[in-house]
Parts: sequence; C-alpha cells; structure tokens
Amino acid sequence: EAGVAQSPRYKIIEKRQSVAFWCNPISGHATLYWYQQILGQGPKLLIQFQNNGVVDDSQLPKDRFSAERLKGVDSTLKIQPAKLEDSAVYLCASSLGRLRIVQYFGPGTRLTVT
Amino acid sequence: DQQVKQNSPSLSVQEGRISILNCDYTNSMFDYFLWYKKYPAEGPTFLISISSIKDKNEDGRFTVFLNKSAKHLSLHIVPSQPGDSAVYFCAASAEGNLIFGKGTKLSVKP
Repeated sequence: EAGVAQSPRYKIIEKRQSVAFWCNPISGHATLYWYQQILGQGPKLLIQFQNNGVVDDSQLPKDRFSAERLKGVDSTLKIQPAKLEDSAVYLCASSLGRLRIVQYFGPGTRLTVT
Repeated sequence: DQQVKQNSPSLSVQEGRISILNCDYTNSMFDYFLWYKKYPAEGPTFLISISSIKDKNEDGRFTVFLNKSAKHLSLHIVPSQPGDSAVYFCAASAEGNLIFGKGTKLSVKP
C-alpha cells in the first residue's frame, strides 16, 4: 500500500513570494491534515479536511495561508506572501476517518524563507 | 500553553538496555494517546497507542503505560537497539485531533 505522498520535498523562496505544496493521501482515507512543524517543536495542526470539506481550520493563518482538497483526494496548501517565520516542515497526514485516531504522515516539505 | 509536554529533549541509552521516554499532559478530556517515531528527513511514523480506559499496551519491544491520575504516560523500549535512535513524539487525541509534544531525541549507543 502506497503511503502519503508529498511534493516538493524541499523549497527555498524569498520573503513575500508565494509557494504551494501538494499532498496525495493514502487511497481510501477520507480525512486529510496539514501540519506545520517548526524546528524543535512538535507538529501543529493547520487544517483538517473530511473528504473535500473543511472540518477545522482554526489554526490556519488565513490572511496568508489557504488550502483546498478538490474531489476529496489530493490537496494543496498555499502560502502567499511568505514570511521568514513560515520556515518549517509542512507535513501532510491522512486517516480513514475523523475519529480514526491513527494518522499516517508523508515525508514533509521543508520550506526555507530567506 | 502546552497541553502535551515532553520535558526531556534528549536521552542516551546503551544498546540492550531499557529506554524510558516520558510525557505529561494537562487536558483530562484526552481519550487516546499515541507515540510516533521520526527519523531525519522523514515524516513521523506511528508506533503504538493507548486508550484512556487502559493503563498498559504492549507491542513487541514497545510498551506504553498510562497513569491517568498523574496525567502521565511513558514509552518503554526493551531491549533498545541502535535502529531505535530517532525523535519520539508523544501525541494526545481529543475527538480525533492530535496535539503533539516537542519530542525526545533517543540515541542508542552500540
């Protein structure tokens, strides 16, 4: 069974530029999550989708971050414009359903904003 | 306000000995607790979980203990192997949302 796929793996941009990350969850997983992991911290939830609907985006900085999950499968996370403090690893995870506790993570995208 | 705390940033253990990783939490509404293992440049990998109605769960070399009254859980790895060297994250779940600790870096020396 294929795991969660993410691309790109690494991205370096200048502040005020925009960037987008892509995630393909495990087949059949209805719930998809985006996390931000800053160096030395644990992952922090940004947004949660159930199929193609947003369940929780309370921690998403909506002035610059946006995410979508078209057709309830793939998802993209966008940052526009990026700030220095957005430098982090962006992790995508999926689970069978909202109350299925175990989440499976992709390898992440390491973003460096200079 | 950290709801899940891992107070030891690092732990070093000799191969073959026991590794004990600790985690404290503050929210009594958490109903599941999980441990994830993370190697460099990879995403976290699920290791073991425990429901709040249990006090112990075992899977091979890995055992998680939960002390609800103390709001404390621990992960025991016996015997420790060099391949266990990684960052271990404790996570707690309330209604399906995971809250992670900052992680403990385990080094197992041959």
